[in-house]
Amino acid sequence: AQTVTQSQPEMSVQEAETVTLSCTYDTSESDYYLFWYKQPPSRQMILVIRQEAYKQQNATENRFSVNFQKAAKSFSLKISDSQLGDAAMYFCAYRSLIQGAQKLVFGQGTRLTINP
Amino acid sequence: KAGVTQTPRYLIKTRGQQVTLSCSPISGHRSVSWYQQTPGQGLQFLFEYFSETQRNKGNFPGRFSGRQFSNSRSEMNVSTLELGDSALYLCASSLLPWGLGDTEAFFGQGTRLTVV
Repeated sequence: AQTVTQSQPEMSVQEAETVTLSCTYDTSESDYYLFWYKQPPSRQMILVIRQEAYKQQNATENRFSVNFQKAAKSFSLKISDSQLGDAAMYFCAYRSLIQGAQKLVFGQGTRLTINP
Repeated sequence: KAGVTQTPRYLIKTRGQQVTLSCSPISGHRSVSWYQQTPGQGLQFLFEYFSETQRNKGNFPGRFSGRQFSNSRSEMNVSTLELGDSALYLCASSLLPWGLGDTEAFFGQGTRLTVV
Protein backbone atom coordinates (compact mmCIF):
# COMPACT_ATOMS: atom_id res chain seq x y z
CA ALA A 1 0.00 0.00 0.00
CA GLN A 2 1.10 3.52 -0.70
CA THR A 3 2.16 5.80 2.12
CA VAL A 4 2.74 9.53 2.23
CA THR A 5 4.99 11.17 4.82
CA GLN A 6 5.19 14.82 5.77
CA SER A 7 8.05 15.17 8.23
CA GLN A 8 7.33 18.77 9.25
CA PRO A 9 4.31 18.99 11.58
CA GLU A 10 4.66 22.79 11.73
CA MET A 11 6.40 25.48 9.73
CA SER A 12 6.45 29.24 9.98
CA VAL A 13 7.60 31.94 7.60
CA GLN A 14 7.70 35.70 7.47
CA GLU A 15 5.20 37.37 5.19
CA ALA A 16 6.61 37.90 1.68
CA GLU A 17 9.30 35.26 2.13
CA THR A 18 9.57 31.79 0.62
CA VAL A 19 8.87 28.52 2.37
CA THR A 20 9.21 24.89 1.27
CA LEU A 21 7.06 22.06 2.63
CA SER A 22 8.42 18.53 2.33
CA CYS A 23 6.65 15.34 1.28
CA THR A 24 7.91 11.87 0.53
CA TYR A 25 5.89 8.88 -0.58
CA ASP A 26 6.30 5.20 -1.09
CA THR A 27 4.92 3.30 -4.06
CA SER A 28 5.84 0.57 -6.48
CA GLU A 29 3.71 2.08 -9.24
CA SER A 30 5.23 3.96 -12.14
CA ASP A 31 2.32 6.23 -12.93
CA TYR A 32 0.23 8.16 -10.44
CA TYR A 33 -0.87 11.64 -9.40
CA LEU A 34 0.45 13.78 -6.56
CA PHE A 35 -1.37 16.70 -4.98
CA TRP A 36 -0.97 19.44 -2.45
CA TYR A 37 -4.18 20.45 -0.68
CA LYS A 38 -4.70 23.39 1.66
CA GLN A 39 -7.11 23.24 4.58
CA PRO A 40 -7.77 26.64 6.18
CA PRO A 41 -9.73 27.02 9.44
CA SER A 42 -12.95 26.82 7.41
CA ARG A 43 -12.03 23.09 7.08
CA GLN A 44 -12.64 22.94 3.34
CA MET A 45 -9.88 21.15 1.46
CA ILE A 46 -8.71 23.23 -1.48
CA LEU A 47 -6.53 21.90 -4.27
CA VAL A 48 -3.32 23.93 -4.53
CA ILE A 49 -1.39 22.09 -7.20
CA ARG A 50 -1.10 18.67 -8.81
CA GLN A 51 1.57 16.71 -10.64
CA GLU A 52 1.25 13.78 -13.00
CA ALA A 53 4.11 11.35 -12.40
CA TYR A 54 4.74 10.81 -16.11
CA LYS A 55 5.46 14.52 -16.58
CA GLN A 56 9.04 15.47 -15.86
CA GLN A 57 8.29 19.19 -15.76
CA ASN A 58 7.48 20.51 -12.30
CA ALA A 59 3.98 21.95 -11.93
CA THR A 60 3.54 25.65 -11.18
CA GLU A 61 0.47 27.64 -10.15
CA ASN A 62 1.22 31.32 -9.63
CA ARG A 63 3.17 31.56 -6.33
CA PHE A 64 3.05 27.80 -5.79
CA SER A 65 5.47 25.37 -7.39
CA VAL A 66 6.63 21.85 -6.74
CA ASN A 67 9.94 20.05 -6.86
CA PHE A 68 9.07 16.56 -8.04
CA GLN A 69 11.89 14.05 -7.75
CA LYS A 70 10.44 10.76 -8.98
CA ALA A 71 13.45 8.57 -8.29
CA ALA A 72 13.74 9.92 -4.76
CA LYS A 73 9.93 9.78 -4.33
CA SER A 74 9.93 13.34 -3.12
CA PHE A 75 7.33 16.01 -3.80
CA SER A 76 7.96 19.33 -2.07
CA LEU A 77 5.84 22.48 -2.28
CA LYS A 78 7.42 25.91 -2.54
CA ILE A 79 5.34 28.96 -1.68
CA SER A 80 6.87 32.23 -2.86
CA ASP A 81 5.99 35.68 -1.56
CA SER A 82 4.02 34.18 1.34
CA GLN A 83 0.78 35.94 2.21
CA LEU A 84 -1.27 35.93 5.40
CA GLY A 85 -3.99 34.04 3.56
CA ASP A 86 -1.60 31.15 2.97
CA ALA A 87 -1.81 30.20 6.64
CA ALA A 88 -3.42 26.75 6.79
CA MET A 89 -2.81 23.03 7.11
CA TYR A 90 -1.16 21.67 3.97
CA PHE A 91 -1.62 18.05 2.97
CA CYS A 92 0.35 16.11 0.44
CA ALA A 93 -1.68 13.38 -1.27
CA TYR A 94 -1.11 10.46 -3.63
CA ARG A 95 -3.57 8.92 -6.03
CA SER A 96 -3.06 5.61 -7.77
CA LEU A 97 -4.27 4.96 -11.31
CA ILE A 98 -4.99 1.32 -10.59
CA GLN A 99 -8.63 0.33 -10.88
CA GLY A 100 -10.19 0.00 -7.45
CA ALA A 101 -7.37 1.90 -5.74
CA GLN A 102 -8.07 5.40 -6.98
CA LYS A 103 -8.51 7.01 -3.62
CA LEU A 104 -6.48 9.87 -2.20
CA VAL A 105 -3.83 8.81 0.32
CA PHE A 106 -2.91 11.76 2.50
CA GLY A 107 0.11 12.66 4.58
CA GLN A 108 -0.31 13.81 8.17
CA GLY A 109 -0.17 17.47 7.22
CA THR A 110 2.01 20.50 7.91
CA ARG A 111 0.61 23.50 9.75
CA LEU A 112 1.92 26.66 8.10
CA THR A 113 1.97 29.92 10.05
CA ILE A 114 2.64 33.24 8.33
CA ASN A 115 4.21 35.90 10.55
CA PRO A 116 3.35 39.50 9.63
CA LYS B 1 -22.25 27.47 -9.18
CA ALA B 2 -22.85 26.07 -5.71
CA GLY B 3 -20.07 24.01 -4.16
CA VAL B 4 -20.25 20.74 -2.30
CA THR B 5 -22.75 21.00 0.54
CA GLN B 6 -22.52 18.87 3.62
CA THR B 7 -25.19 18.78 6.30
CA PRO B 8 -25.28 19.11 9.16
CA ARG B 9 -22.09 21.07 9.91
CA TYR B 10 -21.97 19.91 13.52
CA LEU B 11 -23.46 16.93 15.28
CA ILE B 12 -23.29 15.54 18.80
CA LYS B 13 -24.37 11.96 19.40
CA THR B 14 -24.25 9.48 22.25
CA ARG B 15 -22.37 6.19 22.15
CA GLY B 16 -24.51 3.43 20.69
CA GLN B 17 -26.64 5.74 18.57
CA GLN B 18 -26.54 5.91 14.82
CA VAL B 19 -26.00 8.93 12.60
CA THR B 20 -26.61 9.89 8.98
CA LEU B 21 -24.55 12.54 7.20
CA SER B 22 -25.51 14.08 3.89
CA CYS B 23 -23.49 15.34 0.94
CA SER B 24 -24.84 17.20 -2.07
CA PRO B 25 -22.25 17.32 -4.85
CA ILE B 26 -21.66 20.13 -7.29
CA SER B 27 -24.37 20.20 -9.92
CA GLY B 28 -23.47 17.80 -12.72
CA HIS B 29 -20.95 15.84 -10.66
CA ARG B 30 -21.76 12.17 -10.45
CA SER B 31 -18.99 10.83 -8.22
CA VAL B 32 -18.89 11.28 -4.45
CA SER B 33 -16.16 10.16 -2.06
CA TRP B 34 -16.09 10.25 1.73
CA TYR B 35 -13.10 10.73 4.04
CA GLN B 36 -12.71 10.64 7.80
CA GLN B 37 -10.30 13.11 9.40
CA THR B 38 -9.05 12.63 12.96
CA PRO B 39 -6.01 14.07 14.77
CA GLY B 40 -4.59 10.61 15.34
CA GLN B 41 -5.24 8.83 12.04
CA GLY B 42 -5.30 11.82 9.72
CA LEU B 43 -7.38 11.64 6.56
CA GLN B 44 -8.64 8.20 5.64
CA PHE B 45 -10.73 7.10 2.69
CA LEU B 46 -14.13 5.66 3.50
CA PHE B 47 -15.84 4.97 0.17
CA GLU B 48 -16.61 6.22 -3.33
CA TYR B 49 -19.91 6.19 -5.16
CA PHE B 50 -20.74 6.71 -8.80
CA SER B 51 -24.14 6.32 -10.43
CA GLU B 52 -25.59 4.91 -7.22
CA THR B 53 -22.94 2.16 -7.06
CA GLN B 54 -20.12 1.81 -4.57
CA ARG B 55 -16.90 1.62 -6.59
CA ASN B 56 -14.32 1.58 -3.86
CA LYS B 57 -14.25 1.04 -0.11
CA GLY B 58 -11.67 1.81 2.56
CA ASN B 59 -10.71 -0.25 5.59
CA PHE B 60 -13.52 0.62 7.93
CA PRO B 61 -15.84 -1.71 9.86
CA GLY B 62 -19.26 -2.59 8.55
CA ARG B 63 -20.80 -0.03 10.90
CA PHE B 64 -19.86 2.52 8.27
CA SER B 65 -22.09 2.44 5.22
CA GLY B 66 -23.19 4.75 2.49
CA ARG B 67 -25.39 5.16 -0.49
CA GLN B 68 -25.95 7.44 -3.43
CA PHE B 69 -29.23 8.55 -4.85
CA SER B 70 -30.26 9.08 -8.47
CA ASN B 71 -29.63 12.83 -8.12
CA SER B 72 -26.02 12.02 -7.04
CA ARG B 73 -26.61 13.14 -3.46
CA SER B 74 -24.92 10.79 -1.04
CA GLU B 75 -25.43 9.80 2.56
CA MET B 76 -23.17 7.96 4.93
CA ASN B 77 -24.41 6.16 7.99
CA VAL B 78 -22.55 5.10 11.10
CA SER B 79 -24.34 2.69 13.39
CA THR B 80 -23.58 1.84 17.01
CA LEU B 81 -21.40 4.90 17.45
CA GLU B 82 -18.15 4.65 19.38
CA LEU B 83 -16.12 7.44 20.97
CA GLY B 84 -13.45 6.85 18.31
CA ASP B 85 -15.89 7.79 15.57
CA SER B 86 -15.59 11.42 16.62
CA ALA B 87 -14.09 13.09 13.58
CA LEU B 88 -14.51 15.52 10.73
CA TYR B 89 -16.21 13.74 7.85
CA LEU B 90 -15.37 15.23 4.46
CA CYS B 91 -17.16 14.64 1.21
CA ALA B 92 -15.62 15.25 -2.20
CA SER B 93 -17.38 15.37 -5.54
CA SER B 94 -16.02 15.03 -9.05
CA LEU B 95 -17.47 14.96 -12.50
CA LEU B 96 -16.42 11.37 -13.03
CA PRO B 97 -14.77 8.74 -10.89
CA TRP B 98 -11.04 8.81 -11.31
CA GLY B 99 -10.95 5.53 -13.13
CA LEU B 100 -13.06 6.92 -15.94
CA GLY B 101 -11.30 10.19 -16.54
CA ASP B 102 -8.92 12.78 -15.26
CA THR B 103 -11.03 14.95 -13.04
CA GLU B 104 -10.52 17.20 -10.04
CA ALA B 105 -12.17 16.52 -6.71
CA PHE B 106 -13.87 19.36 -4.85
CA PHE B 107 -14.36 19.06 -1.11
CA GLY B 108 -17.14 20.25 1.14
CA GLN B 109 -16.59 21.89 4.53
CA GLY B 110 -17.28 18.69 6.36
CA THR B 111 -19.49 17.53 9.21
CA ARG B 112 -17.93 17.61 12.66
CA LEU B 113 -19.26 14.60 14.56
CA THR B 114 -18.71 14.37 18.30
CA VAL B 115 -19.61 11.16 20.11
CA VAL B 116 -20.06 11.45 23.88
